[in-house]
Amino acid sequence: DAGVIQSPRHEVTEMGQEVTLRCKPISGHNSLFWYRQTMMRGLELLIYFNNNVPIDDSGMPEDRFSAKMPNASFSTLKIQPSEPRDSAVYFCASSFAGSGYGYTFGSGTRLTVV
Amino acid sequence: GESVGLHLPTLSVQEGDNSIINCAYSNSASDYFIWYKQESGKGPQFIIDIRSNMDKRQGQRVTVLLNKTVKHLSLQIAATQPGDSAVYFCAETGANSKLTFGKGITLSVRP
Repeated sequence: DAGVIQSPRHEVTEMGQEVTLRCKPISGHNSLFWYRQTMMRGLELLIYFNNNVPIDDSGMPEDRFSAKMPNASFSTLKIQPSEPRDSAVYFCASSFAGSGYGYTFGSGTRLTVV
Repeated sequence: GESVGLHLPTLSVQEGDNSIINCAYSNSASDYFIWYKQESGKGPQFIIDIRSNMDKRQGQRVTVLLNKTVKHLSLQIAATQPGDSAVYFCAETGANSKLTFGKGITLSVRP
C-alpha cells in the first residue's frame, strides 16, 4: 500500500489566490482527517469525514476554508482567497473508524502564501 | 475546553539511556491513545497505541503506560538512539473518532 498520498508537496502562492490541496486515503479506510500544523498552534484538526460525510468541521478557521470528499478515495481542502497567515503544513490522515488502529498520516503539503 | 498537553517542550538524553516522555490528558471519555513520532519534513508516524482497558503495552524498545486515575500517559524508549531524535506527540480519541493531539515535545539524543 502506498499510504496516504498528498499533493502537492509544496505550494507557494500569492495572497488572494485560490489554493487546492489534495489527499488520497488508504484504500479501505473510511475516515479522513485534515490537520494544519504551525509552530505556534501545533497540530490542529480542521475537519474530518466518516464514510465521505463531514462529521465535524468546527476546526475550520473561517469561511475561506472548505473541504470535500466526493468519494472514498479522494478529498480536497480549498482555501479561497488565501492569506499569508494560512501558511502552514497541511496533513491528511486516514483510518478505519472503529478498528482502534493508528491513524496514518500523509507527508503533508507545505503551503506558503506571500 | 478539553485538551491533550505535554509537560515539557524539550528533552535531551544521552545515547544509550532510557527516555521517558510524559503527557497529560483531560478528556475522561477518551478510550484510545496513540504516540506519534515526527521527523523534520515528514508527517507524524505511528509508534504505539493503547486502549483504556490496559495500563501498559510494549513494543520494540518502546513502552506506553496509561494511568487513567490521574489521566497520564507516558512513552518510554529503551536504549535511546540518535535515530530517535524527533518530535513526539501524544494523541487521544474516543467514540467520535476525533483524534486530538498534544503540542509535542522534542527529543534530542546526545552522542
